[in-house]
Amino acid sequence: GAVVSQHPSWVICKSGTSVKIECRSLDFQATTMFWYRQFPKQSLMLMATSNEGSKATYEQGVEKDKFLINHASLTLSTLTVTSAHPEDSSFYICSARDFEGIYSNQPQHFGDGTRLSIL
Amino acid sequence: RKEVEQDPGPFNVPEGATVAFNCTYSNSASQSFFWYRQDCRKEPKLLMSVYSSGNEDGRFTAQLNRASQYISLLIRDSKLSDSATYLCVVNNQAGGGNKLTFGTGTQLKVEL
Repeated sequence: GAVVSQHPSWVICKSGTSVKIECRSLDFQATTMFWYRQFPKQSLMLMATSNEGSKATYEQGVEKDKFLINHASLTLSTLTVTSAHPEDSSFYICSARDFEGIYSNQPQHFGDGTRLSIL
Repeated sequence: RKEVEQDPGPFNVPEGATVAFNCTYSNSASQSFFWYRQDCRKEPKLLMSVYSSGNEDGRFTAQLNRASQYISLLIRDSKLSDSATYLCVVNNQAGGGNKLTFGTGTQLKVEL
């Protein structure tokens, strides 16, 4: 069964809207979660590393004021795409690692992804 | 140069065929290596880790050549259900770090 839950699966909204995506680790605590973006026919690109109780670490070229990350608990990280525009349309995927528990056999567990379409 | 490079394909093979995918990585300090499978519009799922000694899981065999910075995946007796995109993934952070770098993937289509 899934160990990382991501919500929502699909979002279609107008340009200028802010969209929040949730990523939850189920059955384990995740001090670190990761947010990726994947455009069609391209690889997953790491956007940022989300750290519980501290600021996220953003990859080069990713605007931290555009993509707000909040990791307020050991099981939940949120990504908010602020004032989204059509070029932000993409597949957003989160992941988490269980460093010590029963799911530690995998480097990262991925959520189902969120397909974001901005009109 | 991309950190992880793969032939995008597609590889169209008949059912029962053997197919091999290759991948090269640029960072000689890379720590660990994986093959993931991604179905259309889905999240990636771990297929197998890759070890220097080579490892096998059923019909799948993975090899790592650190000297050449080269990773391979061999699929024997291909099934229709093997149709997917196969992602070569490298972990570059030492000391328990966990930053994965993904290749663009190689698309496999297994046909009747």
